[in-house]
Amino acid sequence: GDSVTQMEGPVTLSEEAFLTINCTYTATGYPSLFWYVQYPGEGLQLLLKATKADDKGSNKGFEATYRKETTSFHLEKGSVQVSDSAVYFCALILSGNTPLVFGKGTRLSVIA
Amino acid sequence: EAGVVQSPRYKIIEKKQPVAFWCNPISGHNTLYWYRQNLGQGPELLIRYENEEAVDDSQLPKDRFSAERLKGVDSTLKIQPAELGDSAVYLCASSLQETQYFGPGTRLLVL
Repeated sequence: GDSVTQMEGPVTLSEEAFLTINCTYTATGYPSLFWYVQYPGEGLQLLLKATKADDKGSNKGFEATYRKETTSFHLEKGSVQVSDSAVYFCALILSGNTPLVFGKGTRLSVIA
Repeated sequence: EAGVVQSPRYKIIEKKQPVAFWCNPISGHNTLYWYRQNLGQGPELLIRYENEEAVDDSQLPKDRFSAERLKGVDSTLKIQPAELGDSAVYLCASSLQETQYFGPGTRLLVL
């Protein structure tokens, strides 16, 4: 079946460090890919998305590029802030309004 | 534009008791989802509605869980009776096309 695999956390970084969270997927078709972020005690917020190969999603300094050849959608940020501390979820959707398939999430802690 | 609204935010009950969660989706969103998120895991779908019709409830434990979406707007998810293993965060999401928007969730603790 369709699945998403994320690097295990927790990830702890100092402020202004470079962030990479790896995400790979397995899908029977051509999915759209998403990163959601969950701050403590809150629901999931859409961070960015990409709908086809080579698309780059970006938001709030975060970026991820849809790589069909490596079935990956790694999340990157050049300089993290304490306020970026949260759990990050990679997810895919095959079409339209079908359910999202999530990875297990990666907890990021940024220390000053 | 208002986001997805859920209530209550927190609920503590004893096992075997009933519990209900309510969701109001973003206005105009025809598709509504209920997900369950266990501790340290990603959300998993329980049920999906297109307007008032449940089009995917294959993962809903129908012996104790039920859901409804009257008039194709608000939705209620019910558990009766609750078990210890039902402790989780219950998330509601809605979408118009592909992108899903989530509410803050209801954190359920069954004692």
